[in-house]
Amino acid sequence: DAGVTQSPTHLIKTRGQHVTLRCSPISGHKSVSWYQQVLGQGPQFIFQYYEKEERGRGNFPDRFSARQFPNYSSELNVNALLLGDSALYLCASSLEGEREGTGELFFGEGSRLTVL
Amino acid sequence: GENVEQHPSTLSVQEGDSAVIKCTYSDSASNYFPWYKQELGKGPQLIIDIRSNVGEKKDQRIAVTLNKTAKHFSLHITETQPEDSAVYFCAASLGGTGNQFYFGTGTSLTVIP
Repeated sequence: DAGVTQSPTHLIKTRGQHVTLRCSPISGHKSVSWYQQVLGQGPQFIFQYYEKEERGRGNFPDRFSARQFPNYSSELNVNALLLGDSALYLCASSLEGEREGTGELFFGEGSRLTVL
Repeated sequence: GENVEQHPSTLSVQEGDSAVIKCTYSDSASNYFPWYKQELGKGPQLIIDIRSNVGEKKDQRIAVTLNKTAKHFSLHITETQPEDSAVYFCAASLGGTGNQFYFGTGTSLTVIP
């Protein structure tokens, strides 16, 4: 079975541009989360979506947005890019239940964004 | 919010020796504590996890212990091998849909052949 897939794997943008990152969860997983990992640091939570609804949001500015599609894939959008947005963006899927999540996050390989 | 601290930041051990990585957390409501291994250029991979109703869990050469009173948990790797070399992250979560994972800053483990 395929794991979490992300695209693109690498991309370079300039300040002020916008970027769209894409993620396909593991088959059967209805929850997708996005994390930002700056070099040398642990991942930081951006969003979680479950059944196409936003269920959690981290401490990131409104320039960051996301959505989940009927097939449970997801997009992360970042507008007005800043140099500090350079990072590895990780997508993770999980087999969430209605009342309580199982807790296990399965990460993709990430999209490495460089902002010049 | 939750704050997870992880030590040490780097760790070198001889092949065959044991490695221990320690984490502390601040929110007593956290109830799920996974450990991830991240190899260069790859995403984090879950290697073991523990829930707050369990004090210890073992999977072959890897074990995790949890002390809820002291709010700390540790990863133990025995009989280390060169392929264990990677960055290890601990995390804490309140569990449930929408609850985020709070990660430590990572430990770079090097196993010297």
